[in-house]
Amino acid sequence: KNQVEQSPQSLIILEGKNCTLQCNYTVSPFSNLRWYKQDTGRGPVSLTIMTFSENTKSNGRYTATLDADTKQSSLHITASQLSDSASYICVVRPTGGGNKLTFGTGTQLKVEL
Amino acid sequence: NAGVTQTPKFQVLKTGQSMTLQCAQDMNHNSMYWYRQDPGMGLRLIYYSASEGTTDKGEVPNGYNVSRLNKREFSLRLESAAPSQTSVYFCASSTGQVQETQYFGPGTRLLVL
Repeated sequence: KNQVEQSPQSLIILEGKNCTLQCNYTVSPFSNLRWYKQDTGRGPVSLTIMTFSENTKSNGRYTATLDADTKQSSLHITASQLSDSASYICVVRPTGGGNKLTFGTGTQLKVEL
Repeated sequence: NAGVTQTPKFQVLKTGQSMTLQCAQDMNHNSMYWYRQDPGMGLRLIYYSASEGTTDKGEVPNGYNVSRLNKREFSLRLESAAPSQTSVYFCASSTGQVQETQYFGPGTRLLVL
């Protein structure tokens, strides 16, 4: 079964610090991998998208990387802010999967003063 | 533009009661989706509609029915609610193209007693 696993499950960092979230997937082949940010009580919002041939994609302080050989992706957050507190979800779209996505369970990030 | 809207925001049902969750989008998207999100699990697809007039089962369709009322609206019906259907329900929409972004609504929190 295609799976997407994320680590750590939760993370607490101080404001201004950097952090990296991990995503390991078994979905293969896939057409793209996306990171979503989900604020508490809200729906997920797309941060980055990478196709299988891309290695990195940035969106402001968010940088996602992809290693298709090891089936790993990471999301690096630079100079964290309180507003970065949220759940970050890794989502993989299988090739030929139509509209069906495989969602990770998310990493819950809390940024503190 | 409001994006994707969902009603109600929160609902409490007794086992056996029925209800309909409403979803509307104003982005002229072809595809619409219903997901549920449970603690410790990734979002799971219940039903989707690739285009107006079509609906298909997702990963967890049992106990649910859907209606694509028109291009804008996609409703989810629980005919006889069960405690296992306690969850947060998200509606999403997209253009339907391969590298699409799915845009999510704010969610409906459902508690079945």
